[in-house]
Amino acid sequence: SYELTQPPSVSVSPGQTARITCSGDALPKQHAHWYKQRPGQAPVLVIYKDNERPSGIPERFSGSSSGTIVTLTISGVQAEDEADYYCQSGDTSETVFGGGTKVTVL
Amino acid sequence: QVHLVQSGAEVKKPGASVKVSCKASGYTFTSYGISWVRQTPGQGLEWMGWISAKNGHTNYAQKFQGRVTMTTDTSTSIAYMELRSLRSDDTAVYYCARDRRIADITNWFDPWGQGTLVTVSS
Repeated sequence: SYELTQPPSVSVSPGQTARITCSGDALPKQHAHWYKQRPGQAPVLVIYKDNERPSGIPERFSGSSSGTIVTLTISGVQAEDEADYYCQSGDTSETVFGGGTKVTVL
Repeated sequence: QVHLVQSGAEVKKPGASVKVSCKASGYTFTSYGISWVRQTPGQGLEWMGWISAKNGHTNYAQKFQGRVTMTTDTSTSIAYMELRSLRSDDTAVYYCARDRRIADITNWFDPWGQGTLVTVSS
């Protein structure tokens, strides 16, 4: 199995831009997906297939991919964006999650 | 609106089994699979496996092979996950999620159930 690596934490001031990275050797060949999880709640999909945004997710959430790194960008961060964020990737027989990044809004 | 509603919290002794249910609504149940993901206390997410609601085909993560069984009841749109030979390190919140996939290329999870806390303690 392979691994996805995320920074443990990212801090950002309201209105600024948060960038969360996820690295993995298989990412050049695999799509990545992102989830937001607030304390005590189930994860919510915010980006799928690297850069597609589900309906109902604010436009300030975007995704990008470059080689072995995928990035979730939150533009104009709001207090409600404070949460844990997880990347996920793999083929359908083995899917893995990154360790998660805690985003703190200062 | 698509919803997945899971059964309530469970407390089990080591060596026992647990069966968690996940009732789907708001979409054609047999058009998608269901994946199960667990989250141990204070830790990240771990994919356990997937079942096709169309034909019952399953794919389990290697870690859980031989200890987990996933099933579906298409008449009631309910998916089940049974985990056997429970250990204390199986204490976790167990989530079901609708599995969106593109052939064998990639899959993602949307939406998720609310989670079921399973506590394993003597």
